[in-house]
Amino acid sequence: DVKVTQSSRYLVKRTGEKVFLECVQDMDHENMFWYRQDPGLGLRLIYFSYDVKMKEKGDIPEGYSVSREKKERFSLILESASTNQTSMYLCASTRDSITDTQYFGPGTRLTVL
Amino acid sequence: AQKITQTQPGMFVQEKEAVTLDCTYDTSDPSYGLFWYKQPSSGEMIFLIYQGSYDQQNATEGRYSLNFQKARKSANLVISASQLGDSAMYFCAMSAGNTPLVFGKGTRLSVIA
Repeated sequence: DVKVTQSSRYLVKRTGEKVFLECVQDMDHENMFWYRQDPGLGLRLIYFSYDVKMKEKGDIPEGYSVSREKKERFSLILESASTNQTSMYLCASTRDSITDTQYFGPGTRLTVL
Repeated sequence: AQKITQTQPGMFVQEKEAVTLDCTYDTSDPSYGLFWYKQPSSGEMIFLIYQGSYDQQNATEGRYSLNFQKARKSANLVISASQLGDSAMYFCAMSAGNTPLVFGKGTRLSVIA
């Protein structure tokens, strides 16, 4: 079974803090994704990565950056957290193509005060 | 651009009855894939079923089936013999071309005893 883990289920940060959300997958998947989920808006793609050190912007990259130094790990970085970044963050991975079935982690619910 | 529309924000169904969750899609790409995911209150997205645009038969996975009507651009999820544990958010998603999955806004299903 594919296992995708995220570093925290719940996180509370203050405005202006630098925030790191970590995602790890253990099935040697090529591609990894970060989404945010807000009520009534569904899932929106922030960034994705198709290879180590490679990244592509999704639909809402503003205010975020990512890092993929190792194949199994994909980090989402909020350089200076703001209250409008309070959300549920979901990480996913796919085996070969970015259009394959995505397997998700449990999510991180981030609150920025 | 790809688009997924789920018009039912919420649905109720009696336990042991069947229920259909609607999904329509829009793409100009002749090759695409359609996915359904379940998200229980715990937050994790669970992959349910997949249908490829060239698949001749409707996909089925246990109590889940996908009613694929290509001419109408619809990919409705049918859950047979609903159970209390089916209460969750359900998301329809599509992949087309070389772009990651695009998700609909979801339908909240409540199963009543």
